[in-house]
Amino acid sequence: TQLLEQSPQFLSIQEGENLTVYCNSSSVFSSLQWYRQEPGEGPVLLVTVVTGGEVKKLKRLTFQFGDARKDSSLHITAAQTGDTGLYLCAGAPETSGSRLTFGEGTQLTVNP
Amino acid sequence: GAGVSQSPSNKVTEKGKDVELRCDPISGHTALYWYRQSLGQGLEFLIYFQGNSAPDKSGLPSDRFSAERTGGSVSTLTIQRTQQEDSAVYLCASSLAGFPYGYTFGSGTRLTVV
Repeated sequence: TQLLEQSPQFLSIQEGENLTVYCNSSSVFSSLQWYRQEPGEGPVLLVTVVTGGEVKKLKRLTFQFGDARKDSSLHITAAQTGDTGLYLCAGAPETSGSRLTFGEGTQLTVNP
Repeated sequence: GAGVSQSPSNKVTEKGKDVELRCDPISGHTALYWYRQSLGQGLEFLIYFQGNSAPDKSGLPSDRFSAERTGGSVSTLTIQRTQQEDSAVYLCASSLAGFPYGYTFGSGTRLTVV
């Protein structure tokens, strides 16, 4: 079973601060995705990274895929209250079908 | 439709009763997935459909759980003889086949077994 570990599990910060969320595994993934989920809704895809070492920027969010394709990070610059939510990473295994494995999530709270 | 539709949005049932949860995926999405999420937790995989076939049903927690998909579209997840530990949000997602296509999730069905 391939596992994805996210850290920290909970993060509470003030508006304007920067933060980084980590997603780690001992397994190699063909691609990795990040989702954000708000209460009462399903997760929404933020980004997909497919190449080792890849960096993608989405406004104030920066996503990085590790060189060995075993880990990823999400960095948010100058967090806003609207960034509050559950952030989930999800990996696509190299060897099997198209089912994603999800991490446990990081619950981010940005306080005004 | 424009998005993935799940019904009902909320379901309260008595222990021992059967429940059916419905998922209507995005038109043209051949892959359909069911996940379960406990309060504030990550997603637990249940079953994956490609068309009407289920090549991966390894996540179904017991034989009380079953799912089907008809016409390559609507899917129904059935839980028989519900137990309190079945209480969770059941999420359905659909996607185009293959990677790196992302999933589009519905808003989920919140199941409470009392």
